[in-house]
Amino acid sequence: DTAVSQTPKYLVTQMGNDKSIKCEQNLGHDTMYWYKQDSKKFLKIMFSYNNKELIINETVPNRFSPKSPDKAHLNLHINSLELGDSAVYFCASSQDLIRRGYTFGSGTRLTVV
Amino acid sequence: AQSVTQLDSQVPVFEEAPVELRCNYSSSVSVYLFWYVQYPNQGLQLLLKYLSGSTLVKGINGFEAEFNKSQTSFHLRKPSVHISDTAEYFCAVSYYNTDKLIFGTGTRLQVFP
Repeated sequence: DTAVSQTPKYLVTQMGNDKSIKCEQNLGHDTMYWYKQDSKKFLKIMFSYNNKELIINETVPNRFSPKSPDKAHLNLHINSLELGDSAVYFCASSQDLIRRGYTFGSGTRLTVV
Repeated sequence: AQSVTQLDSQVPVFEEAPVELRCNYSSSVSVYLFWYVQYPNQGLQLLLKYLSGSTLVKGINGFEAEFNKSQTSFHLRKPSVHISDTAEYFCAVSYYNTDKLIFGTGTRLQVFP
């Protein structure tokens, strides 16, 4: 069973479209995250939720909106996609970040054309 | 500002040779340090972590890292690398009382036969 699963794995879309990426974890973790990995492999946190409550909201355009219907799911909706949004988006979860670190999903490669 | 610096973007090495991947972090009162590995087209996996205690920590796949507070470093080492170690390696830090990991820019380890 996949611990942190993201769908879709690949997403190609045109500029201006709206798209969503879904993430689900079956580990019973309380905290979930979205990270963006750019073309230079740099990973930057975007959001984190703890038990459905928004905890971290880094400097991210308003076009990005996370939604957590329950603590096992954290979805990412992106409006009016731009070329610069092309990246790999990783979902992660943790229970006691310090002692156990994150468990990452396998990523969603978003390409905006 | 909180930051992590990985000094080498790429490290080429021959199989069975030793390797060291360097990581420095911006100084703070308390930090927790991590190394993650990313194999091609996969998410990140935790290699090892330093929380407290012994400054030499051992991880999976024969890797180890040493925490040096005076030099604010957490270098990753392996005495003899294998072809299968070819991957991207990320150093990350979590500062006390925060709920996020800050990642370095990654080091690509390329092992040649």
